[in-house]
Amino acid sequence: QLQLQESGPGLVKPSETLSLTCTVSGGSISSLSYSWDWIRQPPGKGLEWIGHIFYTGTTNFNPSLQSRVTMSVDTSKKQFSLKLDSVTAADTAVYYCARGAYDSSGHRPALDYWGQGTLVTVSS
Amino acid sequence: DIQMTQSPSSLSASIGDRVTITCRASESITTYLNWYQQKPGKAPYLLISAASSLQSGVPSRFSGSGSGTYFTLTIRSLQPEDFATYYCQQSYTTPRTFGGGTKVEIK
Repeated sequence: QLQLQESGPGLVKPSETLSLTCTVSGGSISSLSYSWDWIRQPPGKGLEWIGHIFYTGTTNFNPSLQSRVTMSVDTSKKQFSLKLDSVTAADTAVYYCARGAYDSSGHRPALDYWGQGTLVTVSS
Repeated sequence: DIQMTQSPSSLSASIGDRVTITCRASESITTYLNWYQQKPGKAPYLLISAASSLQSGVPSRFSGSGSGTYFTLTIRSLQPEDFATYYCQQSYTTPRTFGGGTKVEIK
């Protein structure tokens, strides 16, 4: 059974960089059938897609965050990471990592496995 | 960005009721539409992909339909464990976008 687990600081100061890592266990990270996604959810609000990365290092980001986001992947450790620069209180949210699974024709991806989420609070 | 609009934003229903949630896309997404269930304090859970494909292990009382810009999620006979918030999401293009959610509460 595939499992994803987020890790990283739960408190980040304004203007600093938020850094999170997602560790994948129980399956491979090295397949083009999957993207590795980050999604966030401010307290009491809806879901926002941050972006994703493939094991090759190819990325796609939400334009609303693109100037501040970096993602990387380490296939040897089965980990992928998120960095978000210059954070403000508006970046306070539960951050989820998830797997985007493509169908047999390579289309129609869906987020089929999720980490439990980690709350990151931006505050001095 | 493709905007996803869900309605209603919340509803009250009783055990055994049939519940329908709608999701509209701001442009055609063919069948690149997924539905998730989220319970308080938990991660979202994939119910339906590709508009109508029920995920393994998801009860058959859940069904999805639609294509283009209009989609529905139906719960045939509401059970106690179905009280949750439901989100639609388009995967036709990036950025992936979610609907605002529909909270299903007990009447």
